[in-house]
Amino acid sequence: KAGVTQTPRYLIKTRGQQVTLSCSPISGHRSVSWYQQTPGQGLQFLFEYFSETQRNKGNFPGRFSGRQFSNSRSEMNVSTLELGDSALYLCASSLAGLGANYGYTFGSGTRLTVV
Amino acid sequence: DAKTTQPNSMESNEEEPVHLPCNHSTISGTDYIHWYRQLPSQGPEYVIHGLTSNVNNRMASLAIAEDRKSSTLILHRATLRDAAVYYCILYNQGGKLIFGQGTELSVKP
Repeated sequence: KAGVTQTPRYLIKTRGQQVTLSCSPISGHRSVSWYQQTPGQGLQFLFEYFSETQRNKGNFPGRFSGRQFSNSRSEMNVSTLELGDSALYLCASSLAGLGANYGYTFGSGTRLTVV
Repeated sequence: DAKTTQPNSMESNEEEPVHLPCNHSTISGTDYIHWYRQLPSQGPEYVIHGLTSNVNNRMASLAIAEDRKSSTLILHRATLRDAAVYYCILYNQGGKLIFGQGTELSVKP
């Protein structure tokens, strides 16, 4: 069965630009979460969507936003990019919207470099 | 958010069992104990999870203390492919996994 698919795999953007990353969850999974991973801060939770509704949000500025579509696919957007936004962005999906007794499957991530 | 404490690093020999400890003294009654691992240049991979009873799957076993304040991930026969950072996480609901620094496991041939 297909895993979690993130596109694109690599991206280079200039400061001040905006970027949109895409995530296709495993079929049947309605919970999609996003994470940022940097060498200094490790893995940090951005936000989580379930059935098109944002249920939870991490401590990131409003420049970071996301949405989920009716087919559970999700996008995250970062506006006015800063050098510090350079990171690996990971998406994870789960049946966990039905309870905590499910694990999360992660994608391979999108490596964003801001220059 | 409830926190976990893990050793920064551990070493193991190939084909020997590995016991990775995790302390979570502030765990609440509805927190599940999840373990993930991350191999270099990959996203985290789900390993196992449990609530109160010990759990086994094809990858590992999870031993949970009776008071639930600690747990141990057991890899029965370590291979070189098990070298990774292992994260112990308390998960309740809402899709929010809080990753700590994890334990970096190295496996020697």
